[in-house]
Amino acid sequence: NAGVTQTPKFRILKIGQSMTLQCAQDMNHNYMYWYRQDPGMGLKLIYYSVGAGITDKGEVPNGYNVSRSTTEDFPLRLELAAPSQTSVYFCASSYPLGGDTEAFFGQGTRLTVV
Amino acid sequence: AQSVTQLDSQVPVFEEAPVELRCNYSSSVSVYLFWYVQYPNQGLQLLLKYLSGSTLVKGINGFEAEFNKSQTSFHLRKPSVHISDTAEYFCAVSVFSLSDSSYKLIFGSGTRLLVRP
Repeated sequence: NAGVTQTPKFRILKIGQSMTLQCAQDMNHNYMYWYRQDPGMGLKLIYYSVGAGITDKGEVPNGYNVSRSTTEDFPLRLELAAPSQTSVYFCASSYPLGGDTEAFFGQGTRLTVV
Repeated sequence: AQSVTQLDSQVPVFEEAPVELRCNYSSSVSVYLFWYVQYPNQGLQLLLKYLSGSTLVKGINGFEAEFNKSQTSFHLRKPSVHISDTAEYFCAVSVFSLSDSSYKLIFGSGTRLLVRP
């Protein structure tokens, strides 16, 4: 039972490079989320999706893009990496009911931009 | 706007002592409340949740939390902690957004529980 799988686990990027953080879930969840975690700041919502083909901005969307072509996958794209995007990124998913069900998290991707 | 406040960034405590991690939320509508735990180099996992009904909620690993609507608080407690409870704890609220008819999970800044022998 894989749950939520994130790849890669670690990545170092140079300023201006681009990359895609992959997230896949095998629980048939409609809701999927991307968060970033910075020390002392908790988790900030970047983007979320309530189903295939539907995405929306969270609290800190600038510098990121997402797509949701299937229920299973929710990739996060960084187009022009900046040092401010150095963070740990978590993908999560939850059942369609959303509000009263728990979110399941991946193991995280630690990204460093130099 | 909804928000979650965890006033204590770090709580040191000796093994077998009781602990309380504080969480306050602000919301003008009904919310669902959660506590998540993050062990070193891992993702978050659910400790417990409050949806409705009894205000005292019991979770895994001996943790419990009490929902207090008048004080808009959802403090986490454990009567006797173990070394293995050393982790970061996040309080979260799930709030329905009328603008797009979806739920959003909003997290506090986290409290690092450090259990010493």
